[in-house]
Amino acid sequence: SQELEQSPQSLIVQEGKNLTINCTSSKTLYGLYWYKQKYGEGLIFLMMLQKGGEEKSHEKITAKLDEKKQQSSLHITASQPSHAGIYLCGAGPNFGNEKLTFGTGTRLTIIP
Amino acid sequence: DVKVTQSSRYLVKRTGEKVFLECVQDMDHENMFWYRQDPGLGLRLIYFSYDVKMKEKGDIPEGYSVSREKKERFSLILESASTNQTSMYLCASSLPGVRTGELFFGEGSRLTVL
Repeated sequence: SQELEQSPQSLIVQEGKNLTINCTSSKTLYGLYWYKQKYGEGLIFLMMLQKGGEEKSHEKITAKLDEKKQQSSLHITASQPSHAGIYLCGAGPNFGNEKLTFGTGTRLTIIP
Repeated sequence: DVKVTQSSRYLVKRTGEKVFLECVQDMDHENMFWYRQDPGLGLRLIYFSYDVKMKEKGDIPEGYSVSREKKERFSLILESASTNQTSMYLCASSLPGVRTGELFFGEGSRLTVL
């Protein structure tokens, strides 16, 4: 079965600094999904990457997909307190498969 | 606004009790899911339903069953709760096709089994 490893597991960043979270798959990626979870709540969909080399941005969050490396990165520019939470990547075993596997998440703390 | 509602945010049950976790979505989505989330293990899929009365096992279905009698409602049933089922349970829904993978999650139900 597919496994998604996220690094780092936790991150403490000063407000205004940039940061990067990585997600590496044990198998070929057929689409990669990024979610954010506020502590003790459900997940919120951020963005979906489907093609190798694809890059998407949402506000100050940019995600890229490197199919060859079976990896995706999520980059936050000029971090703000509102960015704090747990970021999770998810992927399906093949195209159009709804049953996603998720990484264990990266806990992001923003300090003023 | 899209909404997935889980009936209980917090539950405390005793070992051996039958537990029902209810989930309702108002988006007319075909797909519905139950995940559990545990520290260090992340989210693991318990069951998936792609239509009324249709279901598929996920990665960890043992000890659980599901019911989907209506499109908008997906219930997770713990026939005889055990302490190792203490967890955060997350329900989600999605559309099939091009938006596959864009799941809408409820706020979660935190279950403690004593």
